Amino acid sequence: KAGVTQTPRYLIKTRGQQVTLSCSPISGHRSVSWYQQTPGQGLQFLFEYFSETQRNKGNFPGRFSGRQFSNSRSEMNVSTLELGDSALYLCASSLAPGATNEKLFFGSGTQLSVL
Amino acid sequence: QQQVKQSPQSLIVQKGGISIINCAYENTAFDYFPWYQQFPGKGPALLIAIRPDVSEKKEGRFTISFNKSAKQFSLHIMDSQPGDSATYFCAASPYNQGGKLIFGQGTELSVKP
Repeated sequence: KAGVTQTPRYLIKTRGQQVTLSCSPISGHRSVSWYQQTPGQGLQFLFEYFSETQRNKGNFPGRFSGRQFSNSRSEMNVSTLELGDSALYLCASSLAPGATNEKLFFGSGTQLSVL
Repeated sequence: QQQVKQSPQSLIVQKGGISIINCAYENTAFDYFPWYQQFPGKGPALLIAIRPDVSEKKEGRFTISFNKSAKQFSLHIMDSQPGDSATYFCAASPYNQGGKLIFGQGTELSVKP
């Protein structure tokens, strides 16, 4: 069974640009969460999607947005990039929200560098 | 109140020894406590998880001890091996919000041969 797939693996952008990251969850998984990982702030929750609806949102500015498609694939978008957005962006999938389905499986991430 | 505090930041253990990593939380709404292992260049991988209705859970060489009254939980790695060298994260999530994990800052474990 294929794991969580994130594309691209590496990305270099300049300040002010926007970027879109893609995530394909494990087959059969319907819930997708996004996290930002930096050396200073660690792993921080961005948002969670289930059935094409945002279920939870972390404490990030509105420049960070996401969406989920009917096949459970998800994208996240960051507009007007800032230097501080340089990070590893991780996608995680689970079967569905709920107490018995909470095992999150992470992809290898997209390393974003903002110059 | 949303924080999970993890210690130590780094840990060096001899092969065959016991590695112990501790976490503390404040939010009593947390009811799911997983531990993740991350190797360089990879995403975190779930090791073991516990709920507050049990005080200990063991899976192979990995054991979680949970103290609900003290709001603390810890990971014990028995018979530590060089292959266990990685960064370990504790995490917590509120009831029914398993996709929204609050992570500790991580512990970099190095197991010396």
